[in-house]
Amino acid sequence: DFVMTQSPESLAVSLGERATINCKSRQSVFFNNKNYLAWYQKKPGQPPKLLIYWASTRESGVPDRFSGSGSGTDFTLTISSLQAEDVAVYYCQQYYSTSWTFGQGTKVEIK
Amino acid sequence: QVQLVESGGGLVKPSGSLRLSCAASGFIFSEYYMSWTRQAPGKGLEWVAFISSSGSTVYYAGSVEGRFTISRDNAKNSVYLEMNSLRADDTAVYYCARVSTAWSQQSPSNYWGQGTLVTVSS
Repeated sequence: DFVMTQSPESLAVSLGERATINCKSRQSVFFNNKNYLAWYQKKPGQPPKLLIYWASTRESGVPDRFSGSGSGTDFTLTISSLQAEDVAVYYCQQYYSTSWTFGQGTKVEIK
Repeated sequence: QVQLVESGGGLVKPSGSLRLSCAASGFIFSEYYMSWTRQAPGKGLEWVAFISSSGSTVYYAGSVEGRFTISRDNAKNSVYLEMNSLRADDTAVYYCARVSTAWSQQSPSNYWGQGTLVTVSS
C-alpha cells in the first residue's frame, strides 16, 4: 500500500527564504532507474499544477526556485526563495502503482 | 492547446446517481490515459480512477470501487465518471486530468480541467 506522508502539515516562511517540504512513501517508488514521484501546487479555485516529476525534473515553465530531490521512499520539495505567489498547498503523488496516491498536503504561508 | 472541460456536477440526494463528463481537445485523445481526482471541502486531493488509452483497463480507489465507473468514448474525445450510491462524503470538486506521456499509466498528470462540484445532500 503506497501511503504517502508529508511533513510538516503547514509552514510559514518569510519572503525570500527557503521552504522545505518532505514526503515519505511507505514503499519504494524507485523502479527502472526512475522515481515515480511528482509534486503539485494547489491554489484555491484552481486545478492542481504539476511542478516536478520523476522526483527531480521540473515541468516546463516552472520557476527554477522549485526543485525536487530524494529517492526510494524519501523525497523533498524545496522552494529556494519564497515568493508571494507561492502561497499554496503542495502535494506529493506516487504514480508507480495502479492505485495512485497523494500525500495529505502541506500548506505554505508567508511569515 | 490542450483543454479539458468537466460538466455534470450538481446537487444530488444520498444514494442517488450522477454522471460527470470531461470533453478533451487539443491533443490525440485516444493516445492518453485519463483520470479523475477529487477534493472534498477543506480536504486534500484524492485520486478516484483512471482509464487506459483504449478504455480496456480501469482502476479505482478503494473508496469508490463498486460504486463509480469510469469510461471513455474516443470518437467523442470524452471521458466519463458514472457515480452511483452517492454518499455525503463523495461531496467534492471532481477534476479530470490527462497524463503527460502517451500510452503510459505510470506518468504524472500535467493537464487538468477546472473541476465540477458534486454536492451530496438531502
